[in-house]
Amino acid sequence: DVKVTQSSRYLVKRTGEKVFLECVQDMDHENMFWYRQDPGLGLRLIYFSYDVKMKEKGDIPEGYSVSREKKERFSLILESASTNQTSMYLCASIDTGGYSPLHFGNGTRLTVT
Amino acid sequence: QKEVEQDPGPLSVPEGAIVSLNCTYSNSAFQYFMWYRQYSRKGPELLMYTYSSGNKEDGRFTAQVDKSSKYISLFIRDSQPSDSATYLCAMSPPSGNTPLVFGKGTRLSVIA
Repeated sequence: DVKVTQSSRYLVKRTGEKVFLECVQDMDHENMFWYRQDPGLGLRLIYFSYDVKMKEKGDIPEGYSVSREKKERFSLILESASTNQTSMYLCASIDTGGYSPLHFGNGTRLTVT
Repeated sequence: QKEVEQDPGPLSVPEGAIVSLNCTYSNSAFQYFMWYRQYSRKGPELLMYTYSSGNKEDGRFTAQVDKSSKYISLFIRDSQPSDSATYLCAMSPPSGNTPLVFGKGTRLSVIA
């Protein structure tokens, strides 16, 4: 079974802090994604990556950056956390070639105070 | 107009009811259609997928795609309390490297 592991289930950070959210997948998937999920707004794509050291902006990249130094690891960085970044963050990965499902981690609930 | 529209609910039904969940979309290039189920405090998991039009059945679940109307549905027969979750539709065009487009999800509660 594909496993997508997010390092923290719950995080509480202060406004202005630099925050790192880590995600690791164990199936050698090329493509990885970061979403945030908010009530009434659904899943919104922040950034995605099709290969190591490669990144693409999603729908809401402002205030975020990403790092993909190794194929299995995709990190989301909040440069200076703000209260409006309080949310559930979900990492996902997918294989390439034909159809394959998107596999999600269990999420990190981030609270910025 | 958003690419994918999904009624957010919440939807509350008694155990044993037939549930119908629906999404409409605007992009005629979409070819793959998926339903994800998300339990509380968990990430979404793929429930069913279909390619192009038609029906697909898996146990108590049936996924239906009507490309002419740009409308997809998920039917749950004999609903159980364990079906209580948020259901998200998702879709993509055939090209491999385009991110999925998700609906906002419908929260379903099945009451015993």
